[in-house]
Amino acid sequence: AQRVTQPEKLLSVFKGAPVELKCNYSYSGSPELFWYVQYSRQRLQLLLRHISRESIKGFTADLNKGETSFHLKKPFAQEEDSAMYYCALSRYGSSNTGKLIFGQGTTLQVKP
Amino acid sequence: EAQVTQNPRYLITVTGKKLTVTCSQNMNHEYMSWYRQDPGLGLRQIYYSMNVEVTDKGDVPEGYKVSRKEKRNFPLILESPSPNQTSLYFCASSSFKAGALSNQPQHFGDGTRLSIL
Repeated sequence: AQRVTQPEKLLSVFKGAPVELKCNYSYSGSPELFWYVQYSRQRLQLLLRHISRESIKGFTADLNKGETSFHLKKPFAQEEDSAMYYCALSRYGSSNTGKLIFGQGTTLQVKP
Repeated sequence: EAQVTQNPRYLITVTGKKLTVTCSQNMNHEYMSWYRQDPGLGLRQIYYSMNVEVTDKGDVPEGYKVSRKEKRNFPLILESPSPNQTSLYFCASSSFKAGALSNQPQHFGDGTRLSIL
């Protein structure tokens, strides 16, 4: 079964501390992984995707196919990073339907 | 401004009273989708549409209908709402096209909070 698991509902850290939001997936085909973020009173929006291999707002995520993980990391958390983060998966390949499978979400709280 | 617009933002209604949640996008996207968000479950896809007159079921389509008569609009219809459809609903669109290898970023609306009593 296709599944995305984010084991932490809430992650609370102090400003300047490193952050790692965990994401594990279960998928039999070739996956494409994403992180979406929802800041307070804003729309859900794409943060980054593994295909791009880029860093956005200091966040990075590496797809580890051996461990089936796509953890989101930032070395030094900022208060403005406080938000709800969703890991999502879709199929990569010609049979892609555009569907995203979301994890349950993790609320990141960065304390001053 | 490029955006996805949903209406209404909030609705409280009663069991069995048909309702429609509208969704409109101004980005000329072919792909549109509806999700529901429930605590502990994340977002789950209800229906999606690859283009005009092309719709298909997502993971939780029971109790919902959609239509795609125009490219910009993708309304979600609850013919006979029930309390288990109380949820937060999101419409999304993207430039994804059928046959593409890779997904495209999805643009989300602000959400519609439905309460069915």
